[in-house]
Amino acid sequence: IQLTQSPSLLSASVGDRVTLSCKGSQNINNYLAWYQQKLGEAPKLLIYNTNSLQTGIPSRFSGSGSGTDYTLTISSLQPEDVATYFCYQYNNGLTFGSGTKLEIK
Amino acid sequence: EVKLQQSGDELVRPGASVKMSCKASGYTFTDYAMHWVKQSPGQGLEWIGTIIPLIDTTSYNQKFKGKATLTADKSSNTAYMELSRLTSEDSAVYYCARSDSGYWYFDFWGPGTMVTVSS
Repeated sequence: IQLTQSPSLLSASVGDRVTLSCKGSQNINNYLAWYQQKLGEAPKLLIYNTNSLQTGIPSRFSGSGSGTDYTLTISSLQPEDVATYFCYQYNNGLTFGSGTKLEIK
Repeated sequence: EVKLQQSGDELVRPGASVKMSCKASGYTFTDYAMHWVKQSPGQGLEWIGTIIPLIDTTSYNQKFKGKATLTADKSSNTAYMELSRLTSEDSAVYYCARSDSGYWYFDFWGPGTMVTVSS
């Protein structure tokens, strides 16, 4: 399954509601996770099984979706959210999206 | 506290092999699967393969069959990945990452081992 993320680059202001998209080439059956990767660090799990928040992750992060279309939402963007965000599917094989780079405007 | 401690960065010659390690602590090693993920410079993430230490079973991305060999030592709670016949295309950061044996999303990651292939 191939994953297409959009946009590839997103610039937003502190406090903005931000939405990142991930589209699969086939049905993912909700086996989708989101990772945050800051510069020079390993990826960090934010969301698994489409909408389950990983322990310790702030509640401003949320996930939704079904079928082939999934979304990561940050309800109020914070400066520490600057990172690249990857979606990842584990329904059929294991594949990552190409990432969305999130910057502060 | 769950920790995955990876071995140090490597500078290797083209055609050589390299073996890196990932030592797990803070959980029962055999209760989880261990995966390896490649991140090329400025690129995205690729799953290389998985080992289930409890039953010593491996699964590989077709792209990395013949390139990567995964092993695990239950006595030392350590997973290993050997990469063979290295080329410049193998220069990357390699991460180990843990998952539940049932659902293969990665909840903890090691800090990564950078491999540079250069003569």
